[in-house]
Amino acid sequence: QQQVKQSPQSLIVQKGGISIINCAYENTAFDYFPWYQQFPGKGPALLIAIRPDVSEKKEGRFTISFNKSAKQFSLHIMDSQPGDSATYFCAARTTDSWGKLQFGAGTQVVVTP
Amino acid sequence: GAVVSQHPSWVICKSGTSVKIECRSLDFQATTMFWYRQFPKQSLMLMATSNEGSKATYEQGVEKDKFLINHASLTLSTLTVTSAHPEDSSFYICSPYRGVNNEQFFGPGTRLTVL
Repeated sequence: QQQVKQSPQSLIVQKGGISIINCAYENTAFDYFPWYQQFPGKGPALLIAIRPDVSEKKEGRFTISFNKSAKQFSLHIMDSQPGDSATYFCAARTTDSWGKLQFGAGTQVVVTP
Repeated sequence: GAVVSQHPSWVICKSGTSVKIECRSLDFQATTMFWYRQFPKQSLMLMATSNEGSKATYEQGVEKDKFLINHASLTLSTLTVTSAHPEDSSFYICSPYRGVNNEQFFGPGTRLTVL
């Protein structure tokens, strides 16, 4: 049973467009929500993360929006570039889980020129 | 971000042989090490968790006698796939963790192909 549900499975966006990936969770004890970017043949790289006391966090072209009451969080990639083409994973963790992350299924993003 | 290395980056072996994968956290001490496995087009699956100097804790369905984990120091952990079979072919990724409320980073991964 997947504790973090991620959608869509794949996404095609034109260069300059906005990519939006959504994740939902049930466990209200989750208190850390990171997003990872993974290129083929590489390990996941931490992109941006948020804690539930904040509703939005922005780093460059990447923004996390967090809705605690709806138990949802999303990643927005502004001005998408071909170099952003990768698989993106959302994840969640509780403080008492000793760092054990629960991952979403992943979203493959393709940015067309 | 943290610097994590894995060696080898890829390995091809014959069925029945054992393969050892090393994971090093180069710029911090990891109290906990996570080992993940990832099949093509799938998400990361946690295999086991180990704390320095302690026995690893394995996730349900992961054979502890097949996937031996050693976390001998705060900067080095190894995963040994014993008597590897083709179904063990996968992408193995380590993730050293500093402790509560810290960010979590991943190694570059090791591609294992068992013939």
